Amino acid sequence: DAGVIQSPRHEVTEMGQEVTLRCKPISGHNSLFWYRQTMMRGLELLIYFNNNVPIDDSGMPEDRFSAKMPNASFSTLKIQPSEPRDSAVYFCASSPSTLGGQPQHFGDGTRLSIL
Amino acid sequence: QKEVEQNSGPLSVPEGAIASLNCTYSDRGSQSFFWYRQYSGKSPELIMFIYSNGDKEDGRFTAQLNKASQYVSLLIRDSQPSDSATYLCAVRDDKIIFGKGTRLHILP
Repeated sequence: DAGVIQSPRHEVTEMGQEVTLRCKPISGHNSLFWYRQTMMRGLELLIYFNNNVPIDDSGMPEDRFSAKMPNASFSTLKIQPSEPRDSAVYFCASSPSTLGGQPQHFGDGTRLSIL
Repeated sequence: QKEVEQNSGPLSVPEGAIASLNCTYSDRGSQSFFWYRQYSGKSPELIMFIYSNGDKEDGRFTAQLNKASQYVSLLIRDSQPSDSATYLCAVRDDKIIFGKGTRLHILP
């Protein structure tokens, strides 16, 4: 089975530019999560969806960040305008549901560098 | 603010010895507990999960949960150099919260 697929793997762009990260969850998984990982702050949950509906976006740092899930097989995380402090590894993860102890399966991540 | 605390390490353990990784959490209502392993430059991968008090064994790995003490641990027996990685503890109730991880270094 294919795992969680993220694109691009690496992104380098100048501050002020729009950045769009993409994620395809594992087929049949109903929950999708976006994380950001830095050395200083560790792995932080930004937002998660259940059945394509955003459930909790309290981790989204500010209005420059937005996330969508138009269907069960695709999600985007957009940063506009980007800033150097947004540089991090962004992971997408999916799980069968948000109920109980369903573990999450992570994609390979997008390493984002904002110059 | 729900928190998951781990010693950042590095924890250095001789090859063949038992590595013990610890984690405490603040939310007494947490129901599910996970250990992820993350190699440098890679994504976290699930290695163990536990829901009930007590021990759960899977090969060389044993997860231990004590809900009364709000404490979860991971034991790695017969440590191998390939076990060198960062180990993330995760706790889940309505959403999952990760600790910042413990770096484990197995000394050949």
